[in-house]
Amino acid sequence: KNEVEQSPQNLTAQEGEFITINCSYSVGISALHWLQQHPGGGIVSLFMLSSGKKKHGRLIATINIQEKHSSLHITASHPRDSAVYICAVIYNTDKLIFGTGTRLQVFP
Amino acid sequence: SAVISQKPSRDICQRGTSLTIQCQVDSQVTMMFWYRQQPGQSLTLIATANQGSEATYESGFVIDKFPISRPNLTFSTLTVSNMSPEDSSIYLCSVGQQGPAFFGQGTRLTVV
Repeated sequence: KNEVEQSPQNLTAQEGEFITINCSYSVGISALHWLQQHPGGGIVSLFMLSSGKKKHGRLIATINIQEKHSSLHITASHPRDSAVYICAVIYNTDKLIFGTGTRLQVFP
Repeated sequence: SAVISQKPSRDICQRGTSLTIQCQVDSQVTMMFWYRQQPGQSLTLIATANQGSEATYESGFVIDKFPISRPNLTFSTLTVSNMSPEDSSIYLCSVGQQGPAFFGQGTRLTVV
């Protein structure tokens, strides 16, 4: 069993839909990252959070430390949101474990 | 925060050659990390590079294959040596004061 599990693995949506991607982990962590990987391979850091909720534009990330769970929400999805979204957790201060990613395709 | 410039963004290389990937940070950082993502796989830590000390490699990665330099607090390089098609991957650097907090854009390497 992977220490970081993401769901769903693949997700398709129509433009404008509200999207949720989930991340569950089994280790004690100090923080969690959400990353966006573009089709060409480039990686962008979206959020790093250790508690509560963060919002940036149409993106919202939440984390529940007690339940070992985080969610990434995209409101009013757009085709340019199509990418792989990766959850990564930091444990032992400097160790990072990556999830396998969620491939999102948003159609016009 | 820190802004990372990782170069090159992509390259196609002949087998048997070596490629050096650079990671430049706009501020001084204590820790730098190098990761690899093989096709269809998750990102995996190659090594941790702290200035003034030898890089620490994870199981399955060796210095002869992936030599790392960390000459100062804003710069690091990862070299992929004697490349084979199995080295075709995305390589990513990450930095932070206490752990990985900021990420480069990644380098997509294809070995032919």
